[in-house]
Amino acid sequence: DARVTQTPRHKVTEMGQEVTMRCQPILGHNTVFWYRQTMMQGLELLAYFRNRAPLDDSGMPKDRFSAEMPDATLATLKIQPSEPRDSAVYFCASSSRDTSTDTQYFGPGTRLTVL
Amino acid sequence: RKEVEQDPGPFNVPEGATVAFNCTYSNSASQSFFWYRQDCRKEPKLLMSVYSSGNEDGRFTAQLNRASQYISLLIRDSKLSDSATYLCVVKVYNQGGKLIFGQGTELSVKP
Repeated sequence: DARVTQTPRHKVTEMGQEVTMRCQPILGHNTVFWYRQTMMQGLELLAYFRNRAPLDDSGMPKDRFSAEMPDATLATLKIQPSEPRDSAVYFCASSSRDTSTDTQYFGPGTRLTVL
Repeated sequence: RKEVEQDPGPFNVPEGATVAFNCTYSNSASQSFFWYRQDCRKEPKLLMSVYSSGNEDGRFTAQLNRASQYISLLIRDSKLSDSATYLCVVKVYNQGGKLIFGQGTELSVKP
């Protein structure tokens, strides 16, 4: 059963530290999304890639966040330096634009706490 | 004003009840519509797509009214396992597959 994987599942860090979250999309999916979920804001799209190229990162604070896809099997989201307001669950999702359904499949998320 | 709005609930209903969730969207260029389900501390999962003519999947019925920019989800004969947050989701034309999520409506089904 193919699924999106994310590491780490939980991360507790101190303000100012660098945080790197990783995502392995479903094999063959060519579109990868990064979302952030908080109680106040709900699910927000941070950035997404198609065929490894960034398409839209307008939802991401540019000064501290960066997203990359070094290869088709790995997407990374980095926060440097981290701040307490970055505490949230970060989800990665992948989809295949080549299918008619275009369903996004979510990973289990990384629960980030910045102290 | 959020692009996709839902009543946050919570909806507390007894087993066997029928419950309806509503959702409105503001962008008239919205192209596709979905309901996702999210269990506590889990990831969202697609429940069903919403088609213009309305569609049904077992106990779940989804309706779309493009003129009013309104989407609904009806759950009949609710089960304890239906307890979750239901997210209304729209995809806007020509935004590369980007989904816009509502805040979600929490449902709690009690014995």
